[in-house]
Amino acid sequence: KAGVTQTPRYLIKTRGQQVTLSCSPISGHRSVSWYQQTPGQGLQFLFEYFSETQRNKGNFPGRFSGRQFSNSRSEMNVSTLELGDSALYLCASSLAGSYSNQPQHFGDGTRLSIL
Amino acid sequence: SQKIEQNSEALNIQEGKTATLTCNYTNYSPAYLQWYRQDPGRGPVFLLLIRENEKEKRKERLKVTFDTTLKQSLFHITASQPADSATYLCAPGGGHLSSNTGKLIFGQGTTLQVKP
Repeated sequence: KAGVTQTPRYLIKTRGQQVTLSCSPISGHRSVSWYQQTPGQGLQFLFEYFSETQRNKGNFPGRFSGRQFSNSRSEMNVSTLELGDSALYLCASSLAGSYSNQPQHFGDGTRLSIL
Repeated sequence: SQKIEQNSEALNIQEGKTATLTCNYTNYSPAYLQWYRQDPGRGPVFLLLIRENEKEKRKERLKVTFDTTLKQSLFHITASQPADSATYLCAPGGGHLSSNTGKLIFGQGTTLQVKP
């Protein structure tokens, strides 16, 4: 079974631009969660989608948004990029989501660098 | 608010010894706790889950304990090997509605370095 796939792996943008990251979950998984990981803050929860509906949202500004498609693939968008948005963005899929005790299956992330 | 603490300093041990990593949590009553391993440049990988009614869980050279009175979980790797070098994240989740939202929350992780 193929794992979670995130594209692109690396991205360089400049301040003020916007970016879209993509995540393909494990087949059959209906939940996709997004996390931001930085050396100082660790893994910070952005939001979770389950069957195309946003189920929960972390404490991030409205510049961070996402969506999920009917095939469970998910995209995350960040508008008006700031230097502080430089991070590793991870997506995780699971059968029942972050409110269940089932493991989260992570992709290898998109490394976003803002110049 | 809920807080998870893992030792931010790297843990350096000699090959063959037992590594013990600590995860403490406050303002929280999780129903279970998960442990993950993360290698540089990769996403975390699930290792073990322990429920609140389980004192100990084992998987090969790994052992996890869960003390709900101390609000602490310990993660042990016996007969450690250089290949065990990585960052280990704890993630409490679930729990009682009166105390938290039930969502999985990750600690910042402890880096383990096993020297040959």
